[in-house]
Amino acid sequence: GNSVTQMEGPVTLSEEAFLTINCTYTATGYPSLFWYVQYPGEGLQLLLKATKADDKGSNKGFEATYRKETTSFHLEKGSVQVSDSAVYFCAYSGGYNKLIFGAGTRLAVHP
Amino acid sequence: DAGVIQSPRHEVTEMGQEVTLRCKPISGHNSLFWYRQTMMRGLELLIYFNNNVPIDDSGMPEDRFSAKMPNASFSTLKIQPSEPRDSAVYFCASSFTGVEKLFFGSGTQLSVL
Repeated sequence: GNSVTQMEGPVTLSEEAFLTINCTYTATGYPSLFWYVQYPGEGLQLLLKATKADDKGSNKGFEATYRKETTSFHLEKGSVQVSDSAVYFCAYSGGYNKLIFGAGTRLAVHP
Repeated sequence: DAGVIQSPRHEVTEMGQEVTLRCKPISGHNSLFWYRQTMMRGLELLIYFNNNVPIDDSGMPEDRFSAKMPNASFSTLKIQPSEPRDSAVYFCASSFTGVEKLFFGSGTQLSVL
């Protein structure tokens, strides 16, 4: 069935390191793809999205490219900060008004 | 705008008690979603409303769970009777554009003892 698979966390990095969080999906059709971020004690916030193949979503230094051929939407950032410590969720729009989330990947950035 | 407002932030109750979670969506939004977050199952969509009408409740665990949206500015999620396995963080989210951009509340941390 339709699903989203993210790399397991936690991911622990030093400040200014390069970040990649892998995300692959299994879906019919051409869903929109999203990355949401959840800071401690808060609800999720939309970080970026892409609505069609080869689109690149970007925000706050984060990027992700919609790769239809590999059904992937990996999240990257060139230089992480301590303030980026959070849980990151990959998601896709699975059917009418349904947003399907991955399990989440916890990122911890140390000074 | 104050964003999506949920209450209470924390709820501790005993097994068998009725629990009511509340949500006020962002003014002007026409879709409202209830999610449950647990370590074991991640984020699960329980139910969503469009223009105050329940569209899909296939994620509601069982008859003990019910949700209402009597008007565009208020929704409730009720669990009766509650069980320890219902312990989770319950999120409400609203949107104006379907699922293209959801706005989440801060959640209700429910503990059923």
